[in-house]
Amino acid sequence: DAMVIQNPRYQVTQFGKPVTLSCSQTLNHNVMYWYQQKSSQAPKLLFHYYDKDFNNEADTPDNFQSRRPNTSFCFLDIRSPGLGDAAMYLCATSTTGLTYNEQFFGPGTRLTVL
Amino acid sequence: GQNIDQPTEMTATEGAIVQINCTYQTSGFNGLFWYQQHAGEAPTFLSYNVLDGLEEKGRFSSFLSRSKGYSYLLLKELQMKDSASYLCAVRDYTGTASKLTFGTGTRLQVTL
Repeated sequence: DAMVIQNPRYQVTQFGKPVTLSCSQTLNHNVMYWYQQKSSQAPKLLFHYYDKDFNNEADTPDNFQSRRPNTSFCFLDIRSPGLGDAAMYLCATSTTGLTYNEQFFGPGTRLTVL
Repeated sequence: GQNIDQPTEMTATEGAIVQINCTYQTSGFNGLFWYQQHAGEAPTFLSYNVLDGLEEKGRFSSFLSRSKGYSYLLLKELQMKDSASYLCAVRDYTGTASKLTFGTGTRLQVTL
């Protein structure tokens, strides 16, 4: 089945220790998104890629970076995680175009910062 | 700015009908999505409205009024497995990608 895969599902890191979360997709969608979702809050868009074009949200902290080496993979790098970065990180994909294009979400990676 | 409002929590009985409302004030609008999210899991797509009116999909229906900035999700014949959060999200199209702004979600508890 075509899908969005995130690894790991649970990640524990230490305060200030860099961490990388990964996302892969078999849908061949050209747009990939990273969201941060804290407990009982809405998913918040961090950035998205349209093909290789990176689009950062204005309020995304510099501590968060992303890489997309090819269509299938996208990585979220947190350079110096703080306690406030503990959250569920959701990867999503979609096609592009003005018509309806649903975003497909991966299962998420829950990040704990000690 | 973006502002999307939903009730925080709702409770309904198995077999009943429940309506979850969403109001929005956003700088751009190119459709409204409803997603279901079970605790600790990813959101899954339920419905999409871009024109005014009702879209029906089995036990789920969604309504949109663009002039009022208002949508609702209607769930019929409630089942215990419908206990989840329901997220309203407004789509803005940037010319290349769709960006979604989510509401904080309505946590629905279905009881016997």
